[in-house]
Amino acid sequence: AQSVTQLDSQVPVFEEAPVELRCNYSSSVSVYLFWYVQYPNQGLQLLLKYLSGSTLVESINGFEAEFNKSQTSFHLRKPSVHISDTAEYFCAVSYTGFQKLVFGTGTRLLVSP
Amino acid sequence: EADIYQTPRYLVIGTGKKITLECSQTMGHDKMYWYQQDPGMELHLIHYSYGVNSTEKGDLSSESTVSRIRTEHFPLTLESARPSHTSQYLCASSDPRGAGETQYFGPGTRLLVL
Repeated sequence: AQSVTQLDSQVPVFEEAPVELRCNYSSSVSVYLFWYVQYPNQGLQLLLKYLSGSTLVESINGFEAEFNKSQTSFHLRKPSVHISDTAEYFCAVSYTGFQKLVFGTGTRLLVSP
Repeated sequence: EADIYQTPRYLVIGTGKKITLECSQTMGHDKMYWYQQDPGMELHLIHYSYGVNSTEKGDLSSESTVSRIRTEHFPLTLESARPSHTSQYLCASSDPRGAGETQYFGPGTRLLVL
């Protein structure tokens, strides 16, 4: 069965420090990859996605993720985090032909001053 | 930007009551989804729909039911609420014509059954 693994349930980090949130998925010939962010008491917002083309994708608020096919990974990074980045981050995969998203268990990013 | 709405945002109700969670989208998306999310946990797909008059069970078994009479509307109903139904319910929609079928989420309904 298809699966997504987010190894870190919680990542504490100081403001202005870099951060990496890890995501691995079970291998498949063709996948679409997503990162969603969920702020407290809100729904999920799409942060960025990889569909095809360049393996490095960026969001408007400074996050980036790189699709690594050989390692079946799609780690999320930000060079300098803000307090406002505190949220739950979900990695998700859509396997072509299955038409459904498979979500990871989420990583809680805690940014402190 | 996606326009998908859920009401109510919060609901506290007694055991045995019938409830309907509303979800509407204004994007004309054919596909719609309901997810259940317990605090600090992953999302579990409980229902989805490919279009009008189409409904399917998701990966997680649920006592709830759904209907899809209009493209923009995908309500979820619990005939008799129980404390085990306490959770957050998230509605989403996607456009199958779009590459990757990006799903757009509503703000969620947080349900507490006493």
